[in-house]
Amino acid sequence: NAGVTQTPKFQVLKTGQSMTLQCAQDMNHEYMSWYRQDPGMGLRLIHYSVGAGITDQGEVPNGYNVSRSTTEDFPLRLLSAAPSQTSVYFCASSYSSPYYEQYFGPGTRLTVT
Amino acid sequence: QQPVQSPQAVILREGEDAVINCSSSKALYSVHWYRQKHGEAPVFLMILLKGGEQKGHDKISASFNEKKQQSSLYLTASQLSYSGTYFCGTERSNNNDMRFGAGTRLTVKP
Repeated sequence: NAGVTQTPKFQVLKTGQSMTLQCAQDMNHEYMSWYRQDPGMGLRLIHYSVGAGITDQGEVPNGYNVSRSTTEDFPLRLLSAAPSQTSVYFCASSYSSPYYEQYFGPGTRLTVT
Repeated sequence: QQPVQSPQAVILREGEDAVINCSSSKALYSVHWYRQKHGEAPVFLMILLKGGEQKGHDKISASFNEKKQQSSLYLTASQLSYSGTYFCGTERSNNNDMRFGAGTRLTVKP
């Protein structure tokens, strides 16, 4: 099993550009989440999904969209990148509840100039 | 309402013990502990549900004081591999969105 995979590993965007961060898991987990990690602030929840077709907002959803068409994939879309979105983004999945024993992907380091 | 972790950083020698605290001003349903090594993804350590239970595996254990809304992570006889940043995450009710603390950086030296 590959676990949770994320692409790309690194990305540089200009302000106003859009892009999609990819996340996939092969563990048949129902629950998936997106976090951003900024220095000194720990992890903050952006969006989460409790199953295919069902998503909800977390603590910091503004500027991001998600969809979940399959159990395996949970892409995160940045609509119009801003320097404040410079961060490391982690995708996570879990089996029995949204936050129980989450498996994290390796992360995407995004810089917006 | 981000939980508050203390200390922010701690340096140990191999074999020494450490305690990391996580506290909240709100009533909690659960506390989750993760460890993240530099440049890597966080890795799940354990979860504690309200009820004051204590958990542990190997030489890392944790407790949850429901009345004080505080959890403590205990690392005994620390090893070099324990180095990393430890995060606590808290839920205020079942499946309520997770909030993580800012982390405690633990460095274990030979």
